[in-house]
This record gives sequence, C-alpha cells and structure tokens, in this order.
Amino acid sequence: DTEVTQTPKHLVMGMTNKKSLKCEQHMGHRAMYWYKQKAKKPPELMFVYSYEKLSINESVPSRFSPECPNSSLLNLHLHALQPEDSALYLCASSQGHGQVHGYTFGSGTRLTVV
Amino acid sequence: ILNVEQSPQSLHVQEGDSTNFTCSFPSSNFYALHWYRWETAKSPEALFVMTLNGDEKKKGRISATLNTKEGYSYLYIKGSQPEDSATYLCAPSGAGNMLTFGGGTRLMVKP
Repeated sequence: DTEVTQTPKHLVMGMTNKKSLKCEQHMGHRAMYWYKQKAKKPPELMFVYSYEKLSINESVPSRFSPECPNSSLLNLHLHALQPEDSALYLCASSQGHGQVHGYTFGSGTRLTVV
Repeated sequence: ILNVEQSPQSLHVQEGDSTNFTCSFPSSNFYALHWYRWETAKSPEALFVMTLNGDEKKKGRISATLNTKEGYSYLYIKGSQPEDSATYLCAPSGAGNMLTFGGGTRLMVKP
C-alpha cells in the first residue's frame, strides 16, 4: 500500500458543528503532516507529528485540534470554525521527520464552512 | 518563513513543445529541494528530491537541475503531452524535512 487515504473527500459544516478529518497510511511512515491550501495559494503547514507526537504547531488556532492515535492514523478535529477556514486540507506522510524524504500526499478534504 | 518563488505562474503550450519553469529560494539553511506534480482532484505526486549543488535528475521526459549556491532549480519537460497538464510545485526543506511550497506553475498542454 503506497497511498495516503483521506476521508471525507468533501465536507460542509456549520460554524457550530464539530467534525473530524481522517488520514490513514500503511507505509510505515513515522512522520505525518497537515497542510491547508486556500484557493490559488500554496499549501501551508499546520501540524507535524513525528513518532505519534506533535512536534510542530504552526500557530494554528485552537479550533483545529490534531490527534495521532497510532502510527497509521492522523485526525484533525474541527470545532467552531469560521467561513474563512474553508479550504482544501491535505494530509501527507514521510519516512521520518528530520531526514530528507519525499512526502506522500492524500488527495485532500475540501472543507466548506457555512 | 521562506520566500519561495516560481515562474511563470501559468503556461500554455502546444503538444510537442518543450518547456521549463523556475523555482527560486533562499540558499541559506538549505537541505533539499522537492518537486511535485499536482493534477486537479488528485494527490500531489512527488517527482524529484534533490540535495546537492549541481544535481540533475530525470524521470522520463521530465528533468530537473539544482543550484544551491544561487538558490534556484529548473524543471524541464521535453515534448509536452496533454497528460503533462498540471500544477508543478517546488518546495525547499530545511532541518526537519518540513516543506515550504512555492505558488506553483500551472501548465496547460493543448493537443
């Protein structure tokens, strides 16, 4: 299995809702990442997990809460989002954090906050 | 925050044309330069990871070069095909293998 799987592919949520994005990989990668991409902008790093521990939080608001239950799974819990949080959320994994390795990306979750 | 620039922003070529794009990045604290191809509604696909000054890598009709001293990389596509239509992203990485993406070059190849 050489893929990163993200679910759901599309999500529409209200500002008072709680939802979660899921990311899964079975390549044995020990680093996992969340990126956010707004229209016509490059992907921006949100969080980095290394060996299931949060190692980087790029000053992301607390309404985004990441979780890494095990080495294959990465979640992003969403609560009280704003319309400006509407974006494509990309998950990626690599063999290790702190070493030069290419990333494997999922196809993303397109989030719309209404 | 790294300032990564890609040019041109978009490019329209005819099938069979050869083309190239540029990625410029700060040369300080450099570890590697990554190139990705991103087709609409798909996952970004890794093309190359380059680390050494003067590196050249090739994958089929696509090749890339790296100049770490002056902080730029070129991506070349020989004999463009419609299936090459995509956004090409470059991303330098520093310590920690964290990628900072450029704005991308959107390539459209007309049959």
